[in-house]
Amino acid sequence: KNEVEQSPQNLTAQEGEFITINCSYSVGISALHWLQQHPGGGIVSLFMLSSGKKKHGRLIATINIQEKHSSLHITASHPRDSAVYICAVSPISSGSARQLTFGSGTQLTVLP
Amino acid sequence: KAGVTQTPRYLIKTRGQQVTLSCSPISGHRSVSWYQQTPGQGLQFLFEYFSETQRNKGNFPGRFSGRQFSNSRSEMNVSTLELGDSALYLCASSLGLSYNSPLHFGNGTRLTVT
Repeated sequence: KNEVEQSPQNLTAQEGEFITINCSYSVGISALHWLQQHPGGGIVSLFMLSSGKKKHGRLIATINIQEKHSSLHITASHPRDSAVYICAVSPISSGSARQLTFGSGTQLTVLP
Repeated sequence: KAGVTQTPRYLIKTRGQQVTLSCSPISGHRSVSWYQQTPGQGLQFLFEYFSETQRNKGNFPGRFSGRQFSNSRSEMNVSTLELGDSALYLCASSLGLSYNSPLHFGNGTRLTVT
């Protein structure tokens, strides 16, 4: 079993829909990251969380440390949100903030 | 402020050769980390450098090595290339080592081994 599980693997939505991507992990963590990867490969860090909730524009990320679960929400989705969204954790056991363990990603397609 | 710069963007090599990839972090950033992305294994951590010292290495063979220079620029080297080394290699920089220090990724170097 992978240490970081994401669901769904693929998601197609209509423009304007509310989107949720889920991430569950099985190890103790120091932080959880949500990353966005567009075709071509470059990655953008969207959020870094260790507790609670963060909001940036139409994106909201939440984490429940006790349940080892995080969600990424996109409100009023737009075709430009189409990308792969990746959850990554910094396991406490690694002793490093950069030794990330990654989920397999969620391919999001938003149709106009 | 310039972002993280990785060179080259694309590279084609033959099995058995060696390759060096370069990463220039954002000015002032002292931490550089490297990651490999393949269709089969996804994203995996390779190395982490801070102040010219390797702090951590992922589960990769000794053919994968790296270094960091005094200006924080980093290079990674893969010797005796194998077909399975074909991947997107990403580096990321951050100000420091803290968990609160945001990561900034480059656009990656896509290596193809034939």
